[in-house]
Amino acid sequence: DAKTTQPNSMESNEEEPVHLPCNHSTISGTDYIHWYRQLPSQGPEYVIHGLTSNVNNRMASLAIAEDRKSSTLILHRATLRDAAVYYCILRDGQGAQKLVFGQGTRLTINP
Amino acid sequence: DAGITQSPRHKVTETGTPVTLRCHQTENHRYMYWYRQDPGHGLRLIHYSYGVKDTDKGEVSDGYSVSRSKTEDFLLTLESATSSQTSVYFCAISDQRDYNEQFFGPGTRLTVL
Repeated sequence: DAKTTQPNSMESNEEEPVHLPCNHSTISGTDYIHWYRQLPSQGPEYVIHGLTSNVNNRMASLAIAEDRKSSTLILHRATLRDAAVYYCILRDGQGAQKLVFGQGTRLTINP
Repeated sequence: DAGITQSPRHKVTETGTPVTLRCHQTENHRYMYWYRQDPGHGLRLIHYSYGVKDTDKGEVSDGYSVSRSKTEDFLLTLESATSSQTSVYFCAISDQRDYNEQFFGPGTRLTVL
């Protein structure tokens, strides 16, 4: 499975934008880029996904590099509830979703 | 929230005893998954199912078996629990019509003494 690399931790302030980077230099043409987050004592929850183009939804935006070797999850205005571990995952676009989680980035939001 | 429940939510057992964890869904989704999460680590896939009676192994399947006799239930069994299987276990589901989102249950904390 293609691997992703993320910083272990990041810190930001409430109501400021947050940019969470992810490197995936061995991504294949059929791999989707997924982001999940895990709040304390909960199961992971889906945030956003993309293939080639930038994507926006109510939770976040995903910016994908032109060569697809990296991506950035953007939280436009962080709140305290966004404090979580964020996972960048590559998923083969066929069949069952056998997600491979790395260690993720632990995001701390300061009030 | 997706209708996924896990039972029990907490369990303490002794080495060598059999343990079965249950995942129940009300979404009629085709795919179901079992993951484990150890402290400081991301989730690792144990087994998954792509339909009734259709299952396959994930990356850490040794010591675990699964069964799916009906769409809504996916059982994870530890035939003879070991201390290395102390972990938090998460069930997840996804729909064949939308491969893009996987929904996770609340987790089961299992302690093997």
